[in-house]
Amino acid sequence: DGGITQSPKYLFRKEGQNVTLSCEQNLNHDAMYWYRQDPGQGLRLIYYSQIVNDFQKGDIAEGYSVSREKKESFPLTVTSAQKNPTAFYLCASSSLAGGPGELFFGEGSRLTVL
Amino acid sequence: GENVEQHPSTLSVQEGDSAVIKCTYSDSASNYFPWYKQELGKRPQLIIDIRSNVGEKKDQRIAVTLNKTAKHFSLHITETQPEDSAVYFCAASNSGLTGGGNKLTFGTGTQLKVEL
Repeated sequence: DGGITQSPKYLFRKEGQNVTLSCEQNLNHDAMYWYRQDPGQGLRLIYYSQIVNDFQKGDIAEGYSVSREKKESFPLTVTSAQKNPTAFYLCASSSLAGGPGELFFGEGSRLTVL
Repeated sequence: GENVEQHPSTLSVQEGDSAVIKCTYSDSASNYFPWYKQELGKRPQLIIDIRSNVGEKKDQRIAVTLNKTAKHFSLHITETQPEDSAVYFCAASNSGLTGGGNKLTFGTGTQLKVEL
């Protein structure tokens, strides 16, 4: 069953703690993305990666870090430097063949900082 | 960078009526414009997209129009049904941007409610 899997679905964190969100895809897509979704603000790009061992900052990268050691995996770490980390985080992947196309999203991870 | 504005933020229609959502973009180099639908508690899913060499595209009850000169594009839903109730996001991408790949900039979303 092909798709993109995020875990955990819900996560609670104390202030000052780092937390890592997992994202795995078995669609053989080259590109992977992390978006943050807040009410009334749409989806904002945090980081994206087009190839293993390479990634670029999106519009709101401060306080976040990523790695792309495997094609299938693109974990996101929310660090203690992120001032307002409570949000819904969406991971996505896409093929780069033939130009821009559909993003396939995971089901999301909801992070709450206590 | 690209900036996408989307209006209205909420839209309420009667079942069977049409709904129109409008977006404007700032980067004249953008050439790919998808629309995503997100039902409550679910992931966004692509419903239709258009590329800059096309002015209009239709898929059953859904259509998208693009005006490159004015830098705006619109989603049209005809004969709305209760299952059309969701949040709709427009987006824009410049596939020619070096290293940009499929980097999308999204609008802020429109909450569509179809009332019986």
